[in-house]
Amino acid sequence: DQQVKQNSPSLSVQEGRISILNCDYTNSMFDYFLWYKKYPAEGPTFLISISSIKDKNEDGRFTVFLNKSAKHLSLHIVPSQPGDSAVYFCAASVIAGNQFYFGTGTSLTVIP
Amino acid sequence: EAGVAQSPRYKIIEKRQSVAFWCNPISGHATLYWYQQILGQGPKLLIQFQNNGVVDDSQLPKDRFSAERLKGVDSTLKIQPAKLEDSAVYLCASSQVPGEPQHFGDGTRLSIL
Repeated sequence: DQQVKQNSPSLSVQEGRISILNCDYTNSMFDYFLWYKKYPAEGPTFLISISSIKDKNEDGRFTVFLNKSAKHLSLHIVPSQPGDSAVYFCAASVIAGNQFYFGTGTSLTVIP
Repeated sequence: EAGVAQSPRYKIIEKRQSVAFWCNPISGHATLYWYQQILGQGPKLLIQFQNNGVVDDSQLPKDRFSAERLKGVDSTLKIQPAKLEDSAVYLCASSQVPGEPQHFGDGTRLSIL
């Protein structure tokens, strides 16, 4: 049972524009969410996180939004750069628990 | 700081053979994870260690997979015997404490013929 879903396998965006990557989850007990970025032949790299007590967290060009009622989070990248081209995974966990559940990933291509 | 080290990077074996992967986490990280990532899917947790004790191995196929972290530092994951469906990238990750963002190694890509 896939508890974290990324329904868009791929996304293409022009350089300088906004990239919006979406993630939905089914387990209402999740209260900590993360985004990872993965380049080919490398392991995922932590990008940004948000806990359920917030609805927004910002770090430079990256902002994560959390809508708990909709069980939905999104990652905004503004402005998008060619180096942002990678696969992005969202992950969720219960802070008190141990396991992170990952989505299937969205491949972002930023076109110069 | 040095990252999570994994070896080998690639491994090709025939079904029913055995294989082992090695992981050295970031120094001082007490929590170590092994994930399986099948093509087109997200990483799936196989086993989590806290120091040298197992915290969660509920998704580890124990009839063929085993893992150990004897001295609470590096870890080995073994598959014996391998099946075709074990073809995947095996990722090791570590964190200082459970629940915080994990640092991943570059993984071992396993192909079963």
